[in-house]
Amino acid sequence: ENVLTQSPAIMSASPGEKVTMTCRASSSVSSSYLHWYQQKSGASPKLWIYSTSNLASGVPARFSGSGSGTSYSLTISSVEAEDAATYYCQQYSGYPWTFGGGTKLEIK
Amino acid sequence: QVQLKESGPGLVAPSQSLSITCTVSGFSLTSYGVHWVRQPPGKGLEWLGVIWAGGSTNYNSALMSRLSISKDNSKSQVFLKMNSLQTDDTAMYYCARGEITKRDFDYWGQGTTLTVSS
Repeated sequence: ENVLTQSPAIMSASPGEKVTMTCRASSSVSSSYLHWYQQKSGASPKLWIYSTSNLASGVPARFSGSGSGTSYSLTISSVEAEDAATYYCQQYSGYPWTFGGGTKLEIK
Repeated sequence: QVQLKESGPGLVAPSQSLSITCTVSGFSLTSYGVHWVRQPPGKGLEWLGVIWAGGSTNYNSALMSRLSISKDNSKSQVFLKMNSLQTDDTAMYYCARGEITKRDFDYWGQGTTLTVSS
């Protein structure tokens, strides 16, 4: 099983700040199969960034993703209040699909 | 538009079994796979299994002995069955459409809460 470790578990940012969260895999993942989801409190997850760096429909351009191999990241160039949520990375490199433990972003 | 909606029993006693239905619209089950994912209260996401467009299935090996996924294409429904339920099976259960080329979950249902308690 390919274990995904996200850091930090919780982060706090002020509006306008740049933030970066990371996702590290225990084994290499194809960049085509590394994805990010946003989950707001009480809601189901939404596909946010697919295949490492492609924004899903409706995702603001302040979000970006990068990475390769075992290290991936999600960056918000200028955080806004609506970005408060938990972000999960997810990979496929054979069964089972796995998710990271999540990074909870709080807005000050 | 693409929609998935889960429906389930809500409360089940320990050692009993459950069946959850995912009803989809806006796409055909003969063209897309459907995954099941669960989330215990306050915790992260766990992949349970998938039924592919052709009807084949794959399961999380940790739960394989207790899980069964099936579907009725004509009714646009996918079924999750789990037996020998324990309290740590208490979770929100989601179905999600599987995008086969990117191996992501591009649409999710709203989820159905399952509580395992006597």
